[in-house]
Amino acid sequence: DAGVIQSPRHEVTEMGQEVTLRCKPISGHDYLFWYRQTMMRGLELLIYFNNNVPIDDSGMPEDRFSAKMPNASFSTLKIQPSEPRDSAVYFCASSLSRGRIGELFFGEGSRLTVL
Amino acid sequence: GIQVEQSPPDLILQEGANSTLRCNFSDSVNNLQWFHQNPWGQLINLFYIPSGTKQNGRLSATTVATERYSLLYISSSQTTDSGVYFCAGNTGTASKLTFGTGTRLQVTL
Repeated sequence: DAGVIQSPRHEVTEMGQEVTLRCKPISGHDYLFWYRQTMMRGLELLIYFNNNVPIDDSGMPEDRFSAKMPNASFSTLKIQPSEPRDSAVYFCASSLSRGRIGELFFGEGSRLTVL
Repeated sequence: GIQVEQSPPDLILQEGANSTLRCNFSDSVNNLQWFHQNPWGQLINLFYIPSGTKQNGRLSATTVATERYSLLYISSSQTTDSGVYFCAGNTGTASKLTFGTGTRLQVTL
């Protein structure tokens, strides 16, 4: 089975531009998570969905960040406008619940550089 | 939310040595997972271990949820074990995992 698929793997953009990161979770998984990893702050949860519904977006840093999950096989994380401090690796992960969250499987990440 | 503390922060081993990594939680957890981030940045799930002991090859993990800690054992370490090891957990009915700051392991020849 294919794992979690993220695109693009690398993105370099200029400050002020819109950035869209994409994620395809593992088929059948009902939870989807967006994490951000930086040297300073480690792995931070930005937002997560259960059955395509956003459950907790308290980790989204600002209104410049938005995430959607229009169906069970696709999610996007958008940054508009982007800023240099948004530079990080963004991970998408999915999980199958067992009454509670099960094993978390990560995609390979999208490395974002904002100049 | 819970606080997750990992120790040691850094570890250097010679190939073939054994090691124990520790994860402490500020509260009792009902979900605990261990991950390995390899030098290429990939995050791999090693164990889903809310309680008890599990083994997978040279790796094993033990979680004592009531005492709020988990241990990851690496035996006969290999250079491919290098990377950062993270533990993550949650409490109550929360579905979001909180990650520790990791243990960076370097295995040398």
